[in-house]
Amino acid sequence: DTEVTQTPKHLVMGMTNKKSLKCEQHMGHRAMYWYKQKAKKPPELMFVYSYEKLSINESVPSRFSPECPNSSLLNLHLHALQPEDSALYLCASSQDRRGQDTFGSGTRLTVV
Amino acid sequence: QKEVEQDPGPLSVPEGAIVSLNCTYSNSAFQYFMWYRQYSRKGPELLMYTYSSGNKEDGRFTAQVDKSSKYISLFIRDSQPSDSATYLCAMSFTGGGNKLTFGTGTQLKVEL
Repeated sequence: DTEVTQTPKHLVMGMTNKKSLKCEQHMGHRAMYWYKQKAKKPPELMFVYSYEKLSINESVPSRFSPECPNSSLLNLHLHALQPEDSALYLCASSQDRRGQDTFGSGTRLTVV
Repeated sequence: QKEVEQDPGPLSVPEGAIVSLNCTYSNSAFQYFMWYRQYSRKGPELLMYTYSSGNKEDGRFTAQVDKSSKYISLFIRDSQPSDSATYLCAMSFTGGGNKLTFGTGTQLKVEL
């Protein structure tokens, strides 16, 4: 299995809602990532988990809360988002620190 | 000045043309150089990976890295309409905390 699977593919949520994005990989990768991508922009790193521990938080607002329940799963909990948080949220994983990330197809999030 | 500069395009070429995509960078610490291809509404897909300076060929794709000039290139031979996508260069280095630094991406369209 060489895939990173993200669910849901699309999500519309109100500013008062709480929702979660899910990511799963079975490649044995020990690093997992959340990225945010706006239209016609490159992915922006949000969080890095290394061996199930949060190693990097790129000054992301607390309305985004990551969780790594085990080495295969990564969640992103969303609460009280703003319309400007609407974007494609990408999960990725990699075996080591050299940057060969495998990306999922993303969750397209719309905040209304 | 951005750490990684990439012409955003769009670049339009006829089918069968040789395409040259380029990035320049300023951080001499970068050691690992990647090219990702991203189709519309999909996650990035790793196309080519190169460590340090040199060339790497994979089918119709050739990646070149010139660390002395801080310049990397991706060549696509015999371009096909299916190559129409956004191409993102990305770089990282040991000790960089599992972080990729992306270029802005070049949008390529291969016309029939």
